[in-house]
Parts: sequence; structure tokens; C-alpha cells
Amino acid sequence: DAGVIQSPRHEVTEMGQEVTLRCKPISGHDYLFWYRQTMMRGLELLIYFNNNVPIDDSGMPEDRFSAKMPNASFSTLKIQPSEPRDSAVYFCASKGVPGLAGVEQFFGPGTRLTVL
Amino acid sequence: KQEVTQIPAALSVPEGENLVLNCSFTDSAIYNLQWFRQDPGKGLTSLLLIQSSQREQTSGRLNASLDKSSGRSTLYIAASQPGDSATYLCAVFTVPQIGGGGADGLTFGKGTHLIIQP
Repeated sequence: DAGVIQSPRHEVTEMGQEVTLRCKPISGHDYLFWYRQTMMRGLELLIYFNNNVPIDDSGMPEDRFSAKMPNASFSTLKIQPSEPRDSAVYFCASKGVPGLAGVEQFFGPGTRLTVL
Repeated sequence: KQEVTQIPAALSVPEGENLVLNCSFTDSAIYNLQWFRQDPGKGLTSLLLIQSSQREQTSGRLNASLDKSSGRSTLYIAASQPGDSATYLCAVFTVPQIGGGGADGLTFGKGTHLIIQP
């Protein structure tokens, strides 16, 4: 298995532009998570899905952020409009059943976003 | 709200030493605790996962312990090598509170930046 795949690996954009980050979870995994990592705040959970349904988006910072999972093998995290303070590394992770509690999360390589 | 703290924030030791990284968490109602390694500019690699009912897990030169009641975990690295240099992250998966509140993902500490000197 190729593991969790994220694209792009690096994204540089200007303030106000729309940014779309993509993730392909490990095949067969039922849970997908989006995290953000910054120097100041460390790693924070933004949103997670179970069977393509968003379960908890309480970590999404603002309405400028949205996430979708149209099918079991693809998810997007969109920022519109982007701001310099959104600059961070965004990680996608997935985990499978059985049991939400007993299984490791596997992380993708991350997307490093820079908003100028 | 769960909070995870890792001490020390940074550590530099000569090759060959045994070392201990510490992790503490405020809410002991956890499903499991996971230790990760992160190399510069890279993603996270899972090292060990300890279920809440377990006391420790071992993988090669790594040993992780868990004392859930006191909210503590340690990662022990034996005979350290330069290749062990990385940031080590501790994360807990907290039992969701009744009535909602708190996401079901992992809560991370800010990590211990480890340098092993050749």
C-alpha cells in the first residue's frame, strides 16, 4: 500500500486566493482526519470523517475553511480566501476498523502551505 | 479539554546514551496513547501505540510506558544513535465526553526535538 497520499506537497499562493489540498487515505480505512501544524500551536485536529461523513469540525478555525469527502478514496480541504496566518503544514491521516480506539492513525507527508 | 505536555522541549546527547522522553496529559480518560517520530520537513511515523489497558509497549530499542491514572507516559530509547535524531511527538486519543465537546482525533504535545551527537 502506498500509504496516505497528499497533494500538492508544497503550495505558495497570494493572500485572497483559493487553496485546495487533497488527500487519498489508505484503502479500506474508514476514518480520515485533517490536521494543521504550526510552530506556535503544534499539531491540531481540524476535522474528521467516518465513512465519508463529517463527524466533528469543531477544530476548523473559520468559515473560510471547508472540507469534503465525496467518496472513500478522496478528501479535500479548501481555504477561501486564504490569509498569511493560514501558512502551516496540513496533514491528512487515516485509520481503519475494528474499533475507533484501538487502531493507529497513519499520516501522509503533509502539504506545506505558504500564503504571501 | 485535553492538554498534552512534553518535557524536555529539546535534548542533545552523545551517541550511545540511554534517554527518556516524558509526556503528560490532563484527562486520564483516554483510549490510547501514540508516540510518533517526525523528521524535518517530513510527515509523522508511528512508533508505538499503547492501549489504555496496557502498561507498556516495546519495539526494538524503544520502550513506551503508560501510567493512565497519573496522566504520564515515557518513551525510553536505548543505545541512542545519530539516526534517532528527530522530533518525537506524544498524542492521546481521549474518550469523547457525554453530551459532546472535544473532537475524536488525537491531541498532540508539541514534541521533544532530539539531537544525537556522533
